[in-house]
Amino acid sequence: AQSVTQLDSQVPVFEEAPVELRCNYSSSVSVYLFWYVQYPNQGLQLLLKYLSGSTLVKGINGFEAEFNKSQTSFHLRKPSVHISDTAEYFCAVSDLNSGYSTLTFGKGTMLLVSP
Amino acid sequence: DGGITQSPKYLFRKEGQNVTLSCEQNLNHDAMYWYRQDPGQGLRLIYYSQIVNDFQKGDIAEGYSVSREKKESFPLTVTSAQKNPTAFYLCASSIALQGFPHGYTFGSGTRLTVV
Repeated sequence: AQSVTQLDSQVPVFEEAPVELRCNYSSSVSVYLFWYVQYPNQGLQLLLKYLSGSTLVKGINGFEAEFNKSQTSFHLRKPSVHISDTAEYFCAVSDLNSGYSTLTFGKGTMLLVSP
Repeated sequence: DGGITQSPKYLFRKEGQNVTLSCEQNLNHDAMYWYRQDPGQGLRLIYYSQIVNDFQKGDIAEGYSVSREKKESFPLTVTSAQKNPTAFYLCASSIALQGFPHGYTFGSGTRLTVV
């Protein structure tokens, strides 16, 4: 079974600084990869996804992620964060070899942006 | 606009009472899911359903029950057997294609407090 590791439970940064949120998954077999964002007391919104093709994926709100198959990673980056980016971010993976299964989610990383 | 509606947003119940959380979608999605979210524990899968009249237990199904009589609806009942029911509950849906290339669409959640 797949597992997803988000290495940092919290990442504090100052406004306008760059940020990277790390995500590693357990297997190098064919996968789809996703990043979701959750604002307080709300559901999760899809930020971006990797299905195939270019390993650099651009999403909403200026975020991007890079798929690295050899390192089984899918790290999320933003060159300059805003206060409004304060939220919890979840990485998720789908194993294409497991048939009709479910997405596996990481435990989340809280991004805390301060002025 | 299509989406998932969870109601109510906040719910208070006395210990020992069963309570049912509503989840309705108008996205024509085949698959629906219930997750429980507690601080620092990420998303934990309670139940999921790939098709009407069929559902599967997730990782933490004890003390919960579901039904899937209509494609649009997937209500979750939190029974008195659930030892620690106070949590944030999220419903999601997806097209049931292998690997879920579109990811999941989430509702805005129900915060259940049992006193």
